[in-house]
Amino acid sequence: QITLTQQAESLWVSPGEKVSITCRASQSLLYTDGKHYLSWYQQRPGQTTKALIYHASIRTDGVPTRFIGSGSGTEFTLSIEDVQPEDIALYYCLQTLKKPYTFGAGTKLELK
Amino acid sequence: EVQLVETGGGLVQPGRSLKLSCVASGFTFSSYWMYWIRQAPGKGLEWVSSINTDGGSTYYPDSVKGRFTISRDNAENTVYLQMNSLRSEDTATYYCAKGTDYWGQGVMVTVSS
Repeated sequence: QITLTQQAESLWVSPGEKVSITCRASQSLLYTDGKHYLSWYQQRPGQTTKALIYHASIRTDGVPTRFIGSGSGTEFTLSIEDVQPEDIALYYCLQTLKKPYTFGAGTKLELK
Repeated sequence: EVQLVETGGGLVQPGRSLKLSCVASGFTFSSYWMYWIRQAPGKGLEWVSSINTDGGSTYYPDSVKGRFTISRDNAENTVYLQMNSLRSEDTATYYCAKGTDYWGQGVMVTVSS
């Protein structure tokens, strides 16, 4: 199965800063259609899990433009520019290229 | 507005069964694959099952294969997860998801004697 590694368990950030969360896959997530099957999710306590990014770089409807997905092959990044207090959450990557679909272990974004 | 409401969770003894339901609204249910995902207390996320639009294809990871069954009723906009032979390691919050873009609030399942 494809393993996704989010090396940082926690990242500390101040409001207004930029932060990057990385996700490394054990094999390429590029499919023959030219798309990468890598998504990013946000979990905040008491809220539904929110899809932020799909196909590595496409923002889901309604997601603020400060959330930016990038990367290709096996290396992917979720960047949050101008971090807001409401961005303090857990962030997970998910691959849906091959079953079993697998998630990264999660990165907790915390305030300095 | 997309809404997914899971029900059917609770406390169950090891070896027993439980059936979860997820009622969907706000989108054309019959056009989307549906998923179940779970999260053990304080742990990460695990994909549990998928079902295609007409219910003819289903998928499971090895951890639940042979014990869990996903199904759907497109007339009722509902997806189900039948869980048999439950184990303590199945204790988790179970989330229903529309494709990979919308998730429900989740329902807690506790397997304990």
